[in-house]
Amino acid sequence: AQTVTQSQPEMSVQEAETVTLSCTYDTSESDYYLFWYKQPPSRQMILVIRQEAYKQQNATENRFSVNFQKAAKSFSLKISDSQLGDAAMYFCALKLRQGGSEKLVFGKGTKLTVNP
Amino acid sequence: SAVISQKPSRDICQRGTSLTIQCQVDSQVTMMFWYRQQPGQSLTLIATANQGSEATYESGFVIDKFPISRPNLTFSTLTVSNMSPEDSSIYLCSVTGPDRTGQLYTFGSGTRLTVV
Repeated sequence: AQTVTQSQPEMSVQEAETVTLSCTYDTSESDYYLFWYKQPPSRQMILVIRQEAYKQQNATENRFSVNFQKAAKSFSLKISDSQLGDAAMYFCALKLRQGGSEKLVFGKGTKLTVNP
Repeated sequence: SAVISQKPSRDICQRGTSLTIQCQVDSQVTMMFWYRQQPGQSLTLIATANQGSEATYESGFVIDKFPISRPNLTFSTLTVSNMSPEDSSIYLCSVTGPDRTGQLYTFGSGTRLTVV
């Protein structure tokens, strides 16, 4: 089964500190994509970062970076210098191919609170 | 990335009625998807909207309940039919492209549906 697991329903961090959100996944494919999405109360899904499985180098986007461990099937998100605007639900997602189609499978999400 | 206009942004409907949600994209996109996000839950794919042919539905979702149209490369509709309170959710349109890797998934702002 193709699954995505986020084991932390909620996390909190102090403003300007660093926080890491965990994600593990399971897939039988060798080539796939992983994503982190942010969903603030406005409910807009915003792409934070993405990682191609064939790339060994971890993706980074400004204050956001991932620790991609392909053998362990782990894809954690690190947020550095946390800001109040980072408070949101964070979803880890795996892109799967099914026949001639494709889809994203999402984890249950982690609610991040940023304390001033 | 593509810009998506999703309408309506929210609605309150009587049980037994139907609601059609529209998704308009500002550029031609490769694939269009419809997701459901039940209260406090993650996103679940309903179906892939195929241009000019029947949508591809995920397990647990059927055409009679969620008819989908995609007459061209930039527009799709999702209808929630014969609604019950269990259909109260956020419904999101998502598209891939235009992006040179084809791996950029963009989401609309969602439709918050409440069935009373």
